[in-house]
Amino acid sequence: RKEVEQDPGPFNVPEGATVAFNCTYSNSASQSFFWYRQDCRKEPKLLMSVYSSGNEDGRFTAQLNRASQYISLLIRDSKLSDSATYLCVVNMGQGGKLIFGQGTELSVKP
Amino acid sequence: EAGVAQSPRYKIIEKRQSVAFWCNPISGHATLYWYQQILGQGPKLLIQFQNNGVVDDSQLPKDRFSAERLKGVDSTLKIQPAKLEDSAVYLCASTVGGSYEQYFGPGTRLTVT
Repeated sequence: RKEVEQDPGPFNVPEGATVAFNCTYSNSASQSFFWYRQDCRKEPKLLMSVYSSGNEDGRFTAQLNRASQYISLLIRDSKLSDSATYLCVVNMGQGGKLIFGQGTELSVKP
Repeated sequence: EAGVAQSPRYKIIEKRQSVAFWCNPISGHATLYWYQQILGQGPKLLIQFQNNGVVDDSQLPKDRFSAERLKGVDSTLKIQPAKLEDSAVYLCASTVGGSYEQYFGPGTRLTVT
């Protein structure tokens, strides 16, 4: 079983749509959780951290369920500029290594 | 603030040849990481340095890969000899001690023919 597994993509959605990505992790000792965004042929960049209480940043909402070892990312009112690969990331502890999922590709069409 | 610098950006070599990649982290970042990202996959950690010491190299293929960070600043990753399956993007990242956010460089795209 992979340490971090994401929905297989790609997701093709029209502008304005709401899209949700799901992710599960295998190690219950995982301490912190993130979503990174990676544009085509670019490096990953932090999109947002994920907290147990859930957190929102504009059109983006992240949720964490520690009991189910499940992380989600919701994007509302999708924009063309949201087209990218979204990477679910788990950290085993402060200063520890990041474990990346395989990524879910999103393509937003006009 | 300057970001993480990497060179070269692209490299094409034949199998069994050697190659080296260079990374200069953000100034003041004590922790440096090298990742391998194969097409269609997420980045996989190869090695983590804290200053000039190795913290984690459990996934580094030590028979062919080596890395060093002698003065605790910039770092070099070497592959010798290269195999076809080493074709990937090699990403360097750095972080301030105690921080969770890692800042990535633009990567080196390696093609082994």
